[in-house]
Amino acid sequence: TQLLEQSPQFLSIQEGENLTVYCNSSSVFSSLQWYRQEPGEGPVLLVTVVTGGEVKKLKRLTFQFGDARKDSSLHITAAQPGDTGLYLCAGARGSNYKLTFGKGTLLTVNP
Amino acid sequence: GAGVSQSPSNKVTEKGKDVELRCDPISGHTALYWYRQRLGQGLEFLIYFQGNSAPDKSGLPSDRFSAERTGESVSTLTIQRTQQEDSAVYLCASSFSQVGTEAFFGQGTRLTVV
Repeated sequence: TQLLEQSPQFLSIQEGENLTVYCNSSSVFSSLQWYRQEPGEGPVLLVTVVTGGEVKKLKRLTFQFGDARKDSSLHITAAQPGDTGLYLCAGARGSNYKLTFGKGTLLTVNP
Repeated sequence: GAGVSQSPSNKVTEKGKDVELRCDPISGHTALYWYRQRLGQGLEFLIYFQGNSAPDKSGLPSDRFSAERTGESVSTLTIQRTQQEDSAVYLCASSFSQVGTEAFFGQGTRLTVV
């Protein structure tokens, strides 16, 4: 059983469209993070959310942490080809704040 | 260097041979993770080290896979009797163990079994 379920697994859209990807769990996390991975590179942190209900914006990206701290969403407005990549969520739990990664959403933005 | 370093960056091996992959984490990071990533796919958890605690090996796919870490330093992932299905990028990440901590990833080792 995957602790963090990401959906959709694959998403292909046209430049200019909006999209939302989801990260869901039945477990509570002390914090949740979103990473983006570009081809040939390791994942890189985009944002960390800590408080239930928290919303953070990073240019055209909006991240939300669920009130119960079990889920999160990433919304991209007016997607661009440069947004193409694998988006991963990761939740921290336990006294050691072990990070658990979802399998990711592979986003392709076509020009 | 300041980041997570993995070596080799590429490895081509013959089926049945053993391979050893190395990860140098960021100094001071107590947590270290190994992941496998097949082409076009997400991350598959392999193993987690936290300080001197017993590692979480729940993600290792078979007994051909093993990993070691000495204290809070270098880790090696060993694959014995490699199979073609082992071909993938193997990613290592390290982090502090505190709220909101960020995982830093290496560039990965691309393993090709022929």
